[in-house]
Amino acid sequence: LAKTTQPISMDSYEGQEVNITCSHNNIATNDYITWYQQFPSQGPRFIIQGYKTKVTNEVASLFIPADRKSSTLSLPRVSLSDTAVYYCLVGVDFNKFYFGSGTKLNVKP
Amino acid sequence: GAVVSQHPSWVICKSGTSVKIECRSLDFQATTMFWYRQFPKQSLMLMATSNEGSKATYEQGVEKDKFLINHASLTLSTLTVTSAHPEDSSFYICSASYRREILVGANVLTFGAGSRLTVL
Repeated sequence: LAKTTQPISMDSYEGQEVNITCSHNNIATNDYITWYQQFPSQGPRFIIQGYKTKVTNEVASLFIPADRKSSTLSLPRVSLSDTAVYYCLVGVDFNKFYFGSGTKLNVKP
Repeated sequence: GAVVSQHPSWVICKSGTSVKIECRSLDFQATTMFWYRQFPKQSLMLMATSNEGSKATYEQGVEKDKFLINHASLTLSTLTVTSAHPEDSSFYICSASYRREILVGANVLTFGAGSRLTVL
């Protein structure tokens, strides 16, 4: 699986847009990019998945440049409840899912 | 859809005893389930991958005789921590992979709520 690199932590304020970038320089041609969110003492939950360009759902957008060596999770107008750890994973037809260090997002009032 | 139920959510046991954690897929058949361990302020560490009807595949450094995994049906996988010791205290999370859309995208994980194990 492609190794991923994310910032350890980020701070934001309520109402702001937050962009979390993940680097995956050795992403393979068939790999997809998937993001998960984890609150303390809970299992992670799926946020969004994409292959190229832009994907948007009801909670987030995922931007993937043409070279696919990075991806950016965009959270519009964050609230305090978005304080969590965000993980990006890269792969396809996963037989194993390895998590990187993730990004701890702290949303302040 | 694709809900995984994990029990118990927390358990306290004495050193030397064994603890079983159950993971059930409620509305889909989970051919493959994954067990993770997470220490405070750390990421999830994959312990093992279990496939229905076959032996689990353990990650390097995980003692298979200590962490017994059984995946006897398509909806149930169990993790038994045998002869637990205080250093086994951790947050254990199970998950299953599923395909959100047929023929499109890659598998994603759905997770149980996790089990907090405290060994005294």
